[in-house]
Amino acid sequence: DAKTTQPPSMDCAEGRAANLPCNHSTISGNEYVYWYRQIHSQGPQYIIHGLKNNETNEMASLIITEDRKSSTLILPHATLRDTAVYYCIVRVGRYGGSQGNLIFGKGTKLSVKP
Amino acid sequence: DAGVTQSPTHLIKTRGQQVTLRCSPKSGHDTVSWYQQALGQGPQFIFQYYEEEERQRGNFPDRFSGHQFPNYSSELNVNALLLGDSALYLCASSLIAGGPHEQYFGPGTRLTVT
Repeated sequence: DAKTTQPPSMDCAEGRAANLPCNHSTISGNEYVYWYRQIHSQGPQYIIHGLKNNETNEMASLIITEDRKSSTLILPHATLRDTAVYYCIVRVGRYGGSQGNLIFGKGTKLSVKP
Repeated sequence: DAGVTQSPTHLIKTRGQQVTLRCSPKSGHDTVSWYQQALGQGPQFIFQYYEEEERQRGNFPDRFSGHQFPNYSSELNVNALLLGDSALYLCASSLIAGGPHEQYFGPGTRLTVT
């Protein structure tokens, strides 16, 4: 699975958009970009994933560059409850022979401030 | 649906002792994965169980073992505890045919080794 690089921490004002970047310059053609977040003292929670097109769901939007070497997770109107560590993970979309093996880095600690 | 549940919530053990952690998967799921999360780090994959067998294993010593029962619940056993085994232990459940976005994590068990 490709390696990802994320900033260790970011701040965001409540009500503003939070834009979390992720670099994955060695991504392969069959690898997806996944985002998880972990609120303090809880297990990680799936947010969104995408292959090459931009994606949006009720939680967030995912913007993937045309060359697929980087992506941005957007929380459109951040709230205090969005304070968490956000993990960007790149891997194949189906489990195949490596199901369950999510490789987490250190992620980005997002602090939403009032 | 109770989601993924883990017990106990917290545990304190002495170096050299043995510990057993328990996980009940989300209803309908047949696969359980275990992760170790040290303070300030992302979760690290320990192993995965499906059909009562260990299917995949991360870079963890044999002191870490597991079991899956016919009802799909699972146990993680750690023998000869070391101070470095202090961590949050996360259980995640999924379907064997599912994708990474369909993996649900429990709240974890906080293990402290003194």
